[in-house]
Amino acid sequence: GQNIDQPTEMTATEGAIVQINCTYQTSGFNGLFWYQQHAGEAPTFLSYNVLDGLEEKGRFSSFLSRSKGYSYLLLKELQMKDSASYLCAVRGGSNDYKLSFGAGTTVTVRA
Amino acid sequence: GAVVSQHPSRVICKSGTSVKIECRSLDFQATTMFWYRQFPKQSLMLMATSNEGSKATYEQGVEKDKFLINHASLTLSTLTVTSAHPEDSSFYICSASSLAGRAYNEQFFGPGTRLTVL
Repeated sequence: GQNIDQPTEMTATEGAIVQINCTYQTSGFNGLFWYQQHAGEAPTFLSYNVLDGLEEKGRFSSFLSRSKGYSYLLLKELQMKDSASYLCAVRGGSNDYKLSFGAGTTVTVRA
Repeated sequence: GAVVSQHPSRVICKSGTSVKIECRSLDFQATTMFWYRQFPKQSLMLMATSNEGSKATYEQGVEKDKFLINHASLTLSTLTVTSAHPEDSSFYICSASSLAGRAYNEQFFGPGTRLTVL
């Protein structure tokens, strides 16, 4: 089965940095995705990691350690529009491209 | 990124009726489409995977006779909620991916359909 854990909620101040952790235990591994989802909207793709290390994309960075079953999403220079739910999703070892999602972390950015 | 649309965006229906939701890939051919359901304050739960021209694969606990999925072409998949009941009220989201081209290695999500069953 798939088990993906991430914190439920986080609060940070505008301009600050927040790190959202995700740990996973899955049958097979073929990539980890981070998505942003605003209330009532569909998820939008943020990042993809399949090899160990840090992927940087503007204000957002994502890190993966496959041996530890661990990833984090780093949000820098927080803006009010970054208030959203952030979903960690893992693709298993099959070739069917299925994703298993964590419950999501709601980030609230305060002025 | 690649564009996926869903129609309708919002639907309200009476208990016992059937509702069809369409998912279209607008600028690429989607070999695989996924249907998710999301209840308030919860994450996405995969309902089924559909490949063009073949029967959908349903996740454990999802009734295939209640949630009919058709993937008749490389750009269109439909989900029909049959005999809908209030507990089926949810946010239904589709995603599409491809073995090549613009949607390779990713799932692109549609905007979602909010279903309310009275």
